[in-house]
Amino acid sequence: QSALTQPRSVSGSPGQSVTISCTGTSSDVGGYNYVSWYQQHPGKAPKLMIYAVSERPSGVPDRFSGSKSGNTASLTISGLQAEDEADYYCSSYAGTYRVFGGGTKLTVL
Amino acid sequence: EVQLVESGGGLVQPGGSLRLSCAASGFTFSSYRMQWVRQAPGKGLVWVSQINSDGSSTRYADSVKGRFTISRDNAKNTLYLQMNSLRADDTAVYYCATPPGAFDIWGQGTMVTVSS
Repeated sequence: QSALTQPRSVSGSPGQSVTISCTGTSSDVGGYNYVSWYQQHPGKAPKLMIYAVSERPSGVPDRFSGSKSGNTASLTISGLQAEDEADYYCSSYAGTYRVFGGGTKLTVL
Repeated sequence: EVQLVESGGGLVQPGGSLRLSCAASGFTFSSYRMQWVRQAPGKGLVWVSQINSDGSSTRYADSVKGRFTISRDNAKNTLYLQMNSLRADDTAVYYCATPPGAFDIWGQGTMVTVSS
C-alpha cells in the first residue's frame, strides 16, 4: 500500500494555470477510474474537488479539472485565485483499499 | 444541517485502546459507505478504513489491520473506530468522511495522541 507520488510544491501567479501530477501504478491509478482530488486549507478538513478522475461535486468551480493518462493523474487549476493556495492531495481506489498521495503545496505568488 | 461530528479522541498510553465515534445528521446515513482518514501533525492524509452502508463489508490499511475495527450503528446514525494496541505512530487527527463521490462530507476531526 504505497503512497501515490505528487510534487511537494507548485506555484503560479493569479490568473495563470497550474497542473499537479499524481503518479501511481497499474494497481491503483492506472487500474481504476476512481482518482479523486482534495483541497485542504491549514487547520481545516479536506474538501473534495474532483472524483472519478474528472467529475466535479456540486459547488466546485469549473476552474478545477481532472484527467488521467496511464498511471498518472493530473489536477489542473486555471485562472488561479488567492484562495486556491492550499495543500492538494490525490487519492485512488486500489481494489481492497484506498491510497493518498503525499500532498502538494500550491502557492499563489 | 448536514454534518459529521467526531468524538472520543484524547491522550492514551502505548498499547492502550480508544474508541472514536462519528455522529451523522442531516442526511440518510444508512445509505452511504463511510471511511476514516487520519493525518499526523504536519503530515499528509492517510486512508485508514472503510465500511459499506449496512456494515457487512470492511476494509483496512495494512498499518492498522488486526488492531483497528470499524463499525456502524445505522439506528443511531453513528460510525465507530475501535483502536487497540495503539502505537506512537498512530498519533494523528482522525477524520470520518464519505468516500469520494457526488456527496462529500467530512467531520472536523478528533485528535488522538499516543504517548507515555
